[in-house]
Amino acid sequence: EAQVTQNPRYLITVTGKKLTVTCSQNMNHEYMSWYRQDPGLGLRQIYYSMNVEVTDKGDVPEGYKVSRKEKRNFPLILESPSPNQTSLYFCASSLGVMSDEQFFGPGTRLTVL
Amino acid sequence: AQSVTQLDSQVPVFEEAPVELRCNYSSSVSVYLFWYVQYPNQGLQFLLKYLSGSTLVKGINGFEAEFNKSQTSFHLRKPSVHISDTAEEFCAVSARGYALNFGKGTSLLVTP
Repeated sequence: EAQVTQNPRYLITVTGKKLTVTCSQNMNHEYMSWYRQDPGLGLRQIYYSMNVEVTDKGDVPEGYKVSRKEKRNFPLILESPSPNQTSLYFCASSLGVMSDEQFFGPGTRLTVL
Repeated sequence: AQSVTQLDSQVPVFEEAPVELRCNYSSSVSVYLFWYVQYPNQGLQFLLKYLSGSTLVKGINGFEAEFNKSQTSFHLRKPSVHISDTAEEFCAVSARGYALNFGKGTSLLVTP
């Protein structure tokens, strides 16, 4: 089954404790992206990757890091989480060009205390 | 850069009634337009898209949208909604060289 998976689905952590949210897709997609969803703000892009070893900032990259060492994986790293990073996070992938629809993972709900 | 405005934060509608969710975009270049749906506690799912050609595009679950270049709009419609259509709907815009930008979403609430 074609899908985007994220782990963990739920996470409660404390300020400053490094964490990683994993994202994996099995569709051989070149483009991957991370979004955060907050009430009243819709989805905002954090980082995206056009291909292996190619990443770039989205609209709200501060406090986040990403890496793309393999085509299928695109982890999101919070080196020192803060309460304002409490949010619902989505990973997405697509074939690559701007006209392609994106496939979304199920989401990771992160709470930073 | 491109931007999207979803004019209604919430649209209540009775079951079997028609519905229209409004979306306007802003861009200085040609755009691609999308609608995505998010059912409760799930990720977003692709609904439909406009790339070029016919301005009326049909998507899954009976939804359709019409691209209007002069009004810079891409409104989503369904002639008869079901309870199961209750969801958050997102309009999005992209263009060559630019990332996908989402609107803030419209909550579609279908009641019996």
